[in-house]
Amino acid sequence: AQTVTQSQPEMSVQEAETVTLSCTYDTSESDYYLFWYKQPPSRQMILVIRQEAYKQQNATENRFSVNFQKAAKSFSLKISDSQLGDAAMYFCACDGSGYALNFGKGTSLLVTP
Amino acid sequence: DTGVSQDPRHKITKRGQNVTFRCDPISEHNRLYWYRQTLGQGPEFLTYFQNEAQLEKSRLLSDRFSAERPKGSFSTLEIQRTEQGDSAMYLCASSWSGTDNTGELFFGEGSRLTVL
Repeated sequence: AQTVTQSQPEMSVQEAETVTLSCTYDTSESDYYLFWYKQPPSRQMILVIRQEAYKQQNATENRFSVNFQKAAKSFSLKISDSQLGDAAMYFCACDGSGYALNFGKGTSLLVTP
Repeated sequence: DTGVSQDPRHKITKRGQNVTFRCDPISEHNRLYWYRQTLGQGPEFLTYFQNEAQLEKSRLLSDRFSAERPKGSFSTLEIQRTEQGDSAMYLCASSWSGTDNTGELFFGEGSRLTVL
């Protein structure tokens, strides 16, 4: 069975600073995808960034980047130049079962002015 | 296409009543998923469809829960004899399983159920 662990229930960052959200996962699949989703308060979940496990290069999307350590099964999200609009729940997810994503419990990110 | 839509957005019901939620996926998506999310938790997988076939069900999906996708388009999730423990946000998501599949799920805004 797949498990996804987010060990930081809450994180706080000042506007314009950088923050890193942690995620570890466990899967027996050899080919899988990893995702970070953002869920603003009372809004739908949207994809932030995606990483394919067979790619060694870390994915980047503008201010968002990941540090993917396949051997350690670690997949952290770095948010640079944090903005007030980044405040949300962030969920790490793994897709290796072929049909559905397994999500972690989430990290609540607070951005202070 | 306006994305995944869910209806109703909020439902308050009394224990023992039946409720039904509807999900309209992105039109070209052949996969549809139902997740449940309780406060402070991540989404938990309930079931998924490929076209009209229900291919997987979680152990979380008790006998009181039934999901359908009769024509491979919209889906319904019915909960019979609701219990207070059923109070949660029910999320629907869709995806495409074709050759350009990225694995990404597209989520609706959810249907929040409160059982009194």
